[in-house]
Amino acid sequence: DAKTTQPPSMDCAEGRAANLPCNHSTISGNEYVYWYRQIHSQGPQYIIHGLKNNETNEMASLIITEDRKSSTLILPHATLRDTAVYYCIARGGRAGTALIFGKGTTLSVSS
Amino acid sequence: EAEVAQSPRYKITEKSQAVAFWCDPISGHATLYWYRQILGQGPELLVQFQDESVVDDSQLPKDRFSAERLKGVDSTLKIQPAELGDSAMYLCASSLGGQGFYEQYFGPGTRLTVT
Repeated sequence: DAKTTQPPSMDCAEGRAANLPCNHSTISGNEYVYWYRQIHSQGPQYIIHGLKNNETNEMASLIITEDRKSSTLILPHATLRDTAVYYCIARGGRAGTALIFGKGTTLSVSS
Repeated sequence: EAEVAQSPRYKITEKSQAVAFWCDPISGHATLYWYRQILGQGPELLVQFQDESVVDDSQLPKDRFSAERLKGVDSTLKIQPAELGDSAMYLCASSLGGQGFYEQYFGPGTRLTVT
């Protein structure tokens, strides 16, 4: 079962920041949180991951609370092409490297 | 940029028939995953390979599903016989492997419809 929970859907205006929350209160102290997104009819695509420090790359920023019970993915200037399902993920499986997906958040960016 | 290849992209089959999907991972990627994604849900792991060895097939319905990666490169997932509930997207992903973080790269998937 997924160790993360996310709201089912969110809306964002084009050009504005999209803030996608995730609750992961049950993950252990050494488990990373990963974010992937899936644009319609494509395979999931990696965005970013983090453990306890905030992270930033060319796609997004990841803010993790100090108690590590939740995190927020930030797309600083959302575009129409950012419309997708966003998954907040912990790893698992017997080898510990499989991605354990939940249902994700469908982000709709509109002009 | 190297990509994971999958074929076919779409497959329609009748129940009780056999069906097979093929995946060619990114060159040099030791770890290969097959995921199944039912409409409206996130992908779920079916089987994981490290080189040619299965390291996790705990969620694979072994009475009808089989997977192989004979030379540790490309892989085939087979369903025999197909059932209506097998209608889903079948995604293949690959990564360099190991316990540290290695990004998983996904292919475009095979959408299976069982009638």
